[in-house]
Amino acid sequence: DVKVTQSSRYLVKRTGEKVFLECVQDMDHENMFWYRQDPGLGLRLIYFSYDVKMKEKGDIPEGYSVSREKKERFSLILESASTNQTSMYLCASRESGTQNYEQYFGPGTRLTVT
Amino acid sequence: GQSLEQPSEVTAVEGAIVQINCTYQTSGFYGLSWYQQHDGGAPTFLSYNALDGLEETGRFSSFLSRSDSYGYLLLQELQMKDSASYFCAAGRPGGYQKVTFGTGTKLQVIP
Repeated sequence: DVKVTQSSRYLVKRTGEKVFLECVQDMDHENMFWYRQDPGLGLRLIYFSYDVKMKEKGDIPEGYSVSREKKERFSLILESASTNQTSMYLCASRESGTQNYEQYFGPGTRLTVT
Repeated sequence: GQSLEQPSEVTAVEGAIVQINCTYQTSGFYGLSWYQQHDGGAPTFLSYNALDGLEETGRFSSFLSRSDSYGYLLLQELQMKDSASYFCAAGRPGGYQKVTFGTGTKLQVIP
């Protein structure tokens, strides 16, 4: 069964802290994504990666960076957390070459920055 | 830019049929997907339309009209477990299959 896991379900951090969100998939997918989900705004793409060490900015990359050192692992980094980064963060993966854009999502990390 | 519009909330009766609409404006368009998300859960993929017309998967069907920039998700024989949020998502060009999600429709099924 396809599985995407995220390191934490809930996280509370202070303003200015460096925050790492980890995502691991066991499907050998090439593509991995980080979204944030806010009420009334849907899911917005922060960054995605199409191969190890390869990444591209999504629609809202400001204040975030990513790392993909291994195929199965994609990390989202908040260099200096701010209160406006309080959100639900969702990781997803997708196989290359499929035609239906199906993404597999992890359970999400609800991050609160105080 | 890209935007997908959906109604924010829909209420329907158990056993009935409900249609959730999605209109889109995207610069380039590859197809329309639908995802279901229960409260506290992860979004899960339901369907994808690359071509105009209706795609049926059990109780769920999805429709696309490219000329109208419009699609919908049709849920038949509603069950209480169908209460969830539903998102349309547009595949668009821009390198490596970027996807833009709609704002989501919260469906409440009532007895």
